[in-house]
Amino acid sequence: GDSVTQMEGPVTLSEEAFLTINCTYTATGYPSLFWYVQYPGEGLQLLLKATKADDKGSNKGFEATYRKETTSFHLEKGSVQVSDSAVYFCALIHNAGNMLTFGGGTRLMVKP
Amino acid sequence: EAEVAQSPRYKITEKSQAVAFWCDPISGHATLYWYRQILGQGPELLVQFQDESVVDDSQLPKDRFSAERLKGVDSTLKIQPAELGDSAMYLCASSKDRPGEDTIYFGEGSWLTVV
Repeated sequence: GDSVTQMEGPVTLSEEAFLTINCTYTATGYPSLFWYVQYPGEGLQLLLKATKADDKGSNKGFEATYRKETTSFHLEKGSVQVSDSAVYFCALIHNAGNMLTFGGGTRLMVKP
Repeated sequence: EAEVAQSPRYKITEKSQAVAFWCDPISGHATLYWYRQILGQGPELLVQFQDESVVDDSQLPKDRFSAERLKGVDSTLKIQPAELGDSAMYLCASSKDRPGEDTIYFGEGSWLTVV
């Protein structure tokens, strides 16, 4: 079945540092890929998405590129802020399917 | 901006009691999902509705969990009897049309603690 694997956290960075959170997936065909963010005590918010190979999703300074050859969708940000501290979830869904499959989440902690 | 509404936000219940959660999706969204998120893990799908019909409930523990969306709008998830292992966040989500072709929006979740 489909699965998503994320790097384990927590990831602790200083403000303005570069962020990479790795995400790889296993799926047949061509799934759509997503990054969701969950702030403490809240639900999930869509951060960005990409629906086909080589697409780059971007939002709020975050970027991720759909790499089919490496089955990856790594999340990056050039300069993190304290307000980016949250849990980040990578997820996939098949265009012909009906289930959003999540990775285990990666907690990011940004220190001033 | 329209949101997925959920209630209650927090619920503490004793083991073997019944508990219910309510969800009102974004207006016009035909697809509604219930997910369960255990602390420290990613969300897992419990049940998916397309309008009032269940599309997927393969991961729903049907001996104690039930879900309905009678008029194809709001939905209720019930647990009876609650067990200690049911302590988790229950997330409701909705989307306009076919998954993979549209964005899935999540509510703020309902935290359940079973004591």
